[in-house]
Amino acid sequence: GAGVSQSPSNKVTEKGKDVELRCDPISGHTALYWYRQRLGQGLEFLIYFQGNSAPDKSGLPSDRFSAERTGESVSTLTIQRTQQEDSAVYLCASSWGFLAKTYEQYFGPGTRLTVT
Amino acid sequence: AQSVTQLDSHVSVSEGTPVLLRCNYSSSYSPSLFWYVQHPNKGLQLLLKYTSAATLVKGINGFEAEFKKSETSFHLTKPSAHMSDAAEYFCVVSVAGNMLTFGGGTRLMVKP
Repeated sequence: GAGVSQSPSNKVTEKGKDVELRCDPISGHTALYWYRQRLGQGLEFLIYFQGNSAPDKSGLPSDRFSAERTGESVSTLTIQRTQQEDSAVYLCASSWGFLAKTYEQYFGPGTRLTVT
Repeated sequence: AQSVTQLDSHVSVSEGTPVLLRCNYSSSYSPSLFWYVQHPNKGLQLLLKYTSAATLVKGINGFEAEFKKSETSFHLTKPSAHMSDAAEYFCVVSVAGNMLTFGGGTRLMVKP
């Protein structure tokens, strides 16, 4: 079946512009996660959606970052007034959430964001 | 709180020799532990997972890992490295299930 998809795969933007990154999770997965991976580093958790519950936003680095999810489908991560330190690969993952014992997450290919 | 430390940022082995990637974790509760692999310009792929069943876990591509509670370790091993194993490997811990905490990664290089 189809895996997690993300678009665009690459995005180059000027400092100060807003960007939107999209994630399509695996059908039926109730949980959706966003992570950031800076060059040569591990993944940083950003935000987590579980069904219709309030999202866990504890990983968002500033109020310039926000994310929305429509039901149990598509999610959009928005970065306002981008800064050069926002340059990174943004990864989305989905899982069965509390329906599964192991909480295994399936990752998309990522969006590489470059802020010039 | 939970954390993961991957003890080596880079590991270099010759093809056909054993691989050992070290991982130590810290967790207040019984954790789930994972190893993910990331090949260049590709997404993260799950290699194996530990979820409080057998302490020796076998994964894909001949990899395995052993959960040692007394040492708070979850080292990844493979008896014989292949060129295609060259990639970045991440050790990951999850406690509450709603968030994964990643280690800093270990870049495995395989020499012919």
